[in-house]
Amino acid sequence: DAGVIQSPRHEVTEMGQEVTLRCKPISGHNSLFWYRQTMMRGLELLIYFNNNVPIDDSGMPEDRFSAKMPNASFSTLKIQPSEPRDSAVYFCASSYQEFDNEQFFGPGTRLTVL
Amino acid sequence: DQQVKQNSPSLSVQEGRISILNCDYTNSMFDYFLWYKKYPAEGPTFLISISSIKDKNEDGRFTVFLNKSAKHLSLHIVPSQPGDSAVYFCASLSKADTGKLIFGQGTTLQVKP
Repeated sequence: DAGVIQSPRHEVTEMGQEVTLRCKPISGHNSLFWYRQTMMRGLELLIYFNNNVPIDDSGMPEDRFSAKMPNASFSTLKIQPSEPRDSAVYFCASSYQEFDNEQFFGPGTRLTVL
Repeated sequence: DQQVKQNSPSLSVQEGRISILNCDYTNSMFDYFLWYKKYPAEGPTFLISISSIKDKNEDGRFTVFLNKSAKHLSLHIVPSQPGDSAVYFCASLSKADTGKLIFGQGTTLQVKP
């Protein structure tokens, strides 16, 4: 199994631009999670899906952030418009069940907003 | 409000000695506690977990201890190896609540040869 796949691995963009991060979860996993890692706040959950349905988006910082999961094998996290404070590493993770102890993380996307 | 806290941002130990990483939490509803390990440019990987009904769980060189009355858990690595050098995240989960993993800030462990 290839594990959780994220693209791009690195993204550099200018303030005001739209950014789309992509994630392919492990096949057969029913839950998908988007995290953000910053020096100040550590690893924080932004949103998670179960069976493609958003369950909890309380961690999404503001309306500029949106996430979709159109099918079981693909999810996107979009930031529009992007701001310098959005610079962080964004991780996608998946698990077999919603309350599984173990989540499998992708390698992350390092986003830099200039 | 930081529900899971790792107060030591870094730890350095000599190869072969014991590494002890600490974690404190505030939410008594947490059912499970996990440790994740993260190497640079990679995502975190699951290391070991413990249920709130236990006070110890061991897996090879890794042992996690839970003190519920103190709301404290620790990860012991014995003996430490240079390959253990990484960032270690403590995480907690409440299945009765939202099922979300709440992570600590992480502790960077350096094991010197």
